[in-house]
Amino acid sequence: EDQVTQSPEALRLQEGESSSLNCSYTVSGLRGLFWYRQDPGKGPEFLFTLYSAGEEKEKERLKATLTKKESFLHITAPKPEDSATYLCAVQEGAGFQKLVFGTGTRLLVSP
Amino acid sequence: EPEVTQTPSHQVTQMGQEVILRCVPISNHLYFYWYRQILGQKVEFLVSFYNNEISEKSEIFDDQFSVERPDGSNFTLKIRSTKLEDSAMYFCASSEVQGHQPQHFGDGTRLSIL
Repeated sequence: EDQVTQSPEALRLQEGESSSLNCSYTVSGLRGLFWYRQDPGKGPEFLFTLYSAGEEKEKERLKATLTKKESFLHITAPKPEDSATYLCAVQEGAGFQKLVFGTGTRLLVSP
Repeated sequence: EPEVTQTPSHQVTQMGQEVILRCVPISNHLYFYWYRQILGQKVEFLVSFYNNEISEKSEIFDDQFSVERPDGSNFTLKIRSTKLEDSAMYFCASSEVQGHQPQHFGDGTRLSIL
């Protein structure tokens, strides 16, 4: 059973058209939920860490929120340069360092 | 801004050969990791390394794989007797401390096994 599920798999937006990406998780004892951005041929680039339900983080046009079962990455008035794959990853339990990734959402923003 | 650097960017190797992938983590980081991403699939955890020993490893990380920090700056992943299914992007990451601190990734080495 997948521990991290992201939806949609792909999303196409017009420039300025706001939307949200979803990451649902099923882990016991969430230690942290991480959002990364990945451009083609590059490694994941860290965006946010969320630790507890109700927490929110913002960076430019991106805002990440967390509940007990899922996280949302809200993109407000996106620009073409926001086009990338957005990855969600969770770290669970005490003493575990590994990140468990979802398959990502491929975002394409058209001008 | 400090970054994780990986070399080479692309490695082509014959099946059965040994390959060493190299990484220079961010200088003040203490935890080091290897992940891999097979084309079109998820990023998967392989191993974490702290204080010169493996602290956690996945089922993928079997006797074919080994990691080493040969000096104060490099962190390497060795794959022995490579197989076709080892073809993937291999990412190195590092973090300042354990736990819910972000892991920062390099741009990866694309490993192609022929």
